[in-house]
Amino acid sequence: DQQVKQNSPSLSVQEGRISILNCDYTNSMFDYFLWYKKYPAEGPTFLISISSIKDKNEDGRFTVFLNKSAKHLSLHIVPSQPGDSAVYFCPHSGGYQKVTFGTGTKLQVIP
Amino acid sequence: DAGVIQSPRHEVTEMGQEVTLRCKPISGHDYLFWYRQTMMRGLELLIYFNNNVPIDDSGMPEDRFSAKMPNASFSTLKIQPSEPRDSAVYFCASAMNTEAFFGQGTRLTVV
Repeated sequence: DQQVKQNSPSLSVQEGRISILNCDYTNSMFDYFLWYKKYPAEGPTFLISISSIKDKNEDGRFTVFLNKSAKHLSLHIVPSQPGDSAVYFCPHSGGYQKVTFGTGTKLQVIP
Repeated sequence: DAGVIQSPRHEVTEMGQEVTLRCKPISGHDYLFWYRQTMMRGLELLIYFNNNVPIDDSGMPEDRFSAKMPNASFSTLKIQPSEPRDSAVYFCASAMNTEAFFGQGTRLTVV
């Protein structure tokens, strides 16, 4: 089965600086990579995605990079804002059959 | 659309009792997912349906857990008998394409 790992359980960043969240995966048979954000007591909300045929996708302050050779996915938030403080997940989606999450990375943006 | 609707938001029950969690997906979505969130394991996929048919229930922890989707607008997750270790937040999500939309979750406490 596909394995996606977020190796950093938490990250603290100063407001205005860049936040970089990372994921590693083990199987190259993906169609899409997704990022979700989750606030306490709420369900995860979709943030941004990238197709496996691309290496970058940008949406406002959020940019996702895909390095297929390294099997590495990253999310850049620039500039970081206190409202970005949340848990971020990078589940995988293979042709949309199954989306599996992990423990996520908790981002804290310090004002 | 009101989004994915889950009920109840909070459930406290005694060990050994039957618990039923409910989910109304977004109209037109043909995928429905049940997740469980715990501190140790993050968001775990329990089961998902496609066009009301269960596709993968390998994440269901035990036979005490069962899920049904009698029609396109309703699904239930049942735990019988419930145990204290089942205490968690349970999320339902629905999807039509790559992006899944989550409900607010049901916080289950088994005492």
